[in-house]
Amino acid sequence: GAGVSQSPSNKVTEKGKDVELRCDPISGHTALYWYRQSLGQGLEFLIYFQGNSAPDKSGLPSDRFSAERTGGSVSTLTIQRTQQEDSAVYLCASSLVGGLETQYFGPGTRLLVL
Amino acid sequence: RKEVEQDPGPFNVPEGATVAFNCTYSNSASQSFFWYRQDCRKEPKLLMSVYSSGNEDGRFTAQLNRASQYISLLIRDSKLSDSATYLCVVAGRSGNTPLVFGKGTRLSVIA
Repeated sequence: GAGVSQSPSNKVTEKGKDVELRCDPISGHTALYWYRQSLGQGLEFLIYFQGNSAPDKSGLPSDRFSAERTGGSVSTLTIQRTQQEDSAVYLCASSLVGGLETQYFGPGTRLLVL
Repeated sequence: RKEVEQDPGPFNVPEGATVAFNCTYSNSASQSFFWYRQDCRKEPKLLMSVYSSGNEDGRFTAQLNRASQYISLLIRDSKLSDSATYLCVVAGRSGNTPLVFGKGTRLSVIA
């Protein structure tokens, strides 16, 4: 079956603009995660959705970052007033149930803020 | 102490060599441990889970030492295709808190 998909693959934007990144999880997976990975760095957790529960937003670095998940499926990560330090690969992952389940990653969106 | 720490490498080894990576974690209550593999400019993929009794999958062996709070990954008979970054992953603080990923150890297998 189809894996996790993300769009766009690459995004170049100017400092101060807003961007939206999209994630389509594996069908039937109830948990969805957003991470970002800067060049040469590890994965930084951003936000976690599990079913209908309130999302765990503890990893969002500032109030410029927000995410929503509509209908328990597709998720959008929004970054407002982008800064150069937001440049990174944004990875989405999903898992069947959440918690300690294996996470399956999408290919990521490479964001470059000029 | 960071939640998950790994030697970043790189480890440069010849084909056929045996190589081992260690990873230390800070949360003594962690219950689940994994090794993920990430190829250059690709997404991470699960390599194997790490069980208390240790587990083996072909050329790969993972072990857990709870007393010293470290996990290890041993790769025997290294192949060129094993070249990648290996991420140590530990369950978070509690409950459904997401997994914590280490920064990874880079392995280059040389012909």
